[in-house]
Amino acid sequence: NAGVTQTPKFQVLKTGQSMTLQCAQDMNHEYMSWYRQDPGMGLRLIHYSVGAGITDQGEVPNGYNVSRSTTEDFPLRLLSAAPSQTSVYFCASSLGVDQPQHFGDGTRLSIL
Amino acid sequence: TQLLEQSPQFLSIQEGENLTVYCNSSSVFSSLQWYRQEPGEGPVLLVTVVTGGEVKKLKRLTFQFGDARKDSSLHITAAQPGDTGLYLCADMDSNYQLIWGAGTKLIIKP
Repeated sequence: NAGVTQTPKFQVLKTGQSMTLQCAQDMNHEYMSWYRQDPGMGLRLIHYSVGAGITDQGEVPNGYNVSRSTTEDFPLRLLSAAPSQTSVYFCASSLGVDQPQHFGDGTRLSIL
Repeated sequence: TQLLEQSPQFLSIQEGENLTVYCNSSSVFSSLQWYRQEPGEGPVLLVTVVTGGEVKKLKRLTFQFGDARKDSSLHITAAQPGDTGLYLCADMDSNYQLIWGAGTKLIIKP
């Protein structure tokens, strides 16, 4: 019962470094999304994908890139990390855009 | 832009007590979802409510949707330490994107 798997669980970066947060799901879900969760705020949508080869921006896309080459994987790339990107990042997937979402356990990212 | 306000922000009670947390919207809900998030984990969907006045029960949890579809409540009866977590509400907007409240952090002390 893997569900949605995110790696790594924790990461510390220096300002200006780049990295990729991995997300994989084994439920054959078409819809996948990335959120960030900051203290005192609701989850905010970064990018989403309605299927392989299709991605779109959410509420807070600046500084992040995504791609969806397969149904299973939806990596999130930080191009040049900034302290403002310190957050907990969650990947989610669902059968369709209006279906209940299943979340991974998150990646806790600190930018120094 | 729709805003979801959850109250209280934080609640700490003893095991066995009852509690209610609230989710209020600046506009009419479309499809309101309640999630629970435990420390170190992602949110897990508890229930979806759509119809005004709807009441759904999940064991000791009772979810109520206001008649005007701008407010919702979650009532927990005889709270247990396993109920500890962050309770989040979210609504789906016209673009099928979820708008989230900031959550109520609930601690149940044994």
